[in-house]
Amino acid sequence: DSGVTQTPKHLITATGQRVTLRCSPRSGDLSVYWYQQSLDQGLQFLIQYYNGEERAKGNILERFSAQQFPDLHSELNLSSLELGDSALYFCASSANQGAGNTIYFGEGSWLTVV
Amino acid sequence: AQKITQTQPGMFVQEKEAVTLDCTYDTSDPSYGLFWYKQPSSGEMIFLIYQGSYDQQNATEGRYSLNFQKARKSANLVISASQLGDSAMYFCAMREYTGNQFYFGTGTSLTVIP
Repeated sequence: DSGVTQTPKHLITATGQRVTLRCSPRSGDLSVYWYQQSLDQGLQFLIQYYNGEERAKGNILERFSAQQFPDLHSELNLSSLELGDSALYFCASSANQGAGNTIYFGEGSWLTVV
Repeated sequence: AQKITQTQPGMFVQEKEAVTLDCTYDTSDPSYGLFWYKQPSSGEMIFLIYQGSYDQQNATEGRYSLNFQKARKSANLVISASQLGDSAMYFCAMREYTGNQFYFGTGTSLTVIP
């Protein structure tokens, strides 16, 4: 158990809908990362927050947004969903930034868009 | 240029044998960290081992060791005495001191044969 909690674990939704994925980082971790993993794209970095502030942005679509709350949990909002958004979405956390800080992953949220 | 390159899409190893999974990286930052993660078929990403760029000795964690060759910019994972439970995808990753991102390779699928 990494200590990173993600909910829901599985969800199925229709095209055009909106979903919210939730992440609680490990106790004391200030940094939260979101990744998308699909069969054809591999592991794609979406966005990173550090202590409530956005710090890095990757290949995140405009239909997607995220935030980190004062209690350090984070949410990833996916809207106007398309079939291609079906993927495993990971949240990860680390204590700090910097080269030596390991990131620990949650178990992921499996999203299926039908 | 790719930050992390894993050239072996798939590998097979006999149970109880050792196996080496290749990883090369590209960075101009003198301070960086190298990581390996395991992703079994259940989907979770499990942290295995970390090597800092200034570490003089190769990292070891149980049956996992990291063969760090700084001049060649390689960070190969060695798994000794392979077990059936080692069958999984393995990802090499790097984090630079100056950046916030983790860079992941495309992964190597390891199958342990009884």
